[in-house]
Amino acid sequence: LAKTTQPISMDSYEGQEVNITCSHNNIATNDYITWYQQFPSQGPRFIIQGYKTKVTNEVASLFIPADRKSSTLSLPRVSLSDTAVYYCLVGTPEGGGNKLTFGTGTQLKVEL
Amino acid sequence: GAVVSQHPSRVICKSGTSVKIECRSLDFQATTMFWYRQFPKQSLMLMATSNEGSKATYEQGVEKDKFLINHASLTLSTLTVTSAHPEDSSFYICSASSTLVAAGTDTQYFGPGTRLTVL
Repeated sequence: LAKTTQPISMDSYEGQEVNITCSHNNIATNDYITWYQQFPSQGPRFIIQGYKTKVTNEVASLFIPADRKSSTLSLPRVSLSDTAVYYCLVGTPEGGGNKLTFGTGTQLKVEL
Repeated sequence: GAVVSQHPSRVICKSGTSVKIECRSLDFQATTMFWYRQFPKQSLMLMATSNEGSKATYEQGVEKDKFLINHASLTLSTLTVTSAHPEDSSFYICSASSTLVAAGTDTQYFGPGTRLTVL
């Protein structure tokens, strides 16, 4: 399983764009990159998933360079409610189940 | 879509008793379910992986006789903490995945978690 490295914490202000970068140097060919958001005492919530280039949905964008050794989660115009821990994971379907290993995650704090 | 529920959300029990936690996929069939444990200020730690109709695969260091997992149907998995002790107090989270939800990616969808406190 590919190991991921993220900044432990980040601070931002409301209305700003936040970019969280994750390193995954030993990502395998079949691995997808998935980002989750977790609030205290709640289960992680799926944000976005991608394999290469750029993926965008209604809440975030995911940028993946050609070598796929890193990825960047971009949150446009954050608000106070975006304060949470963000996890970057890589994984490959294994026998029907995608076994994921959670790293330390990035604690994002958004202030007024 | 892709909603996963857990019950109960909180449970307090006495040391030595057993506690069962249910995990249900509400709007999809989960070919695989996972159980995680999370201690305060720490990341999620995978405990076991279960496929419907087969025995669970436990991670190293997780006692399979203490944490009994049953995945009897494509929408229900249960985790039973047997003879619970105070050190088992933690936040237990399940997740479910299915290629039927997002073909080829096996995205995991997480339940809201269960807070277990053992007195």
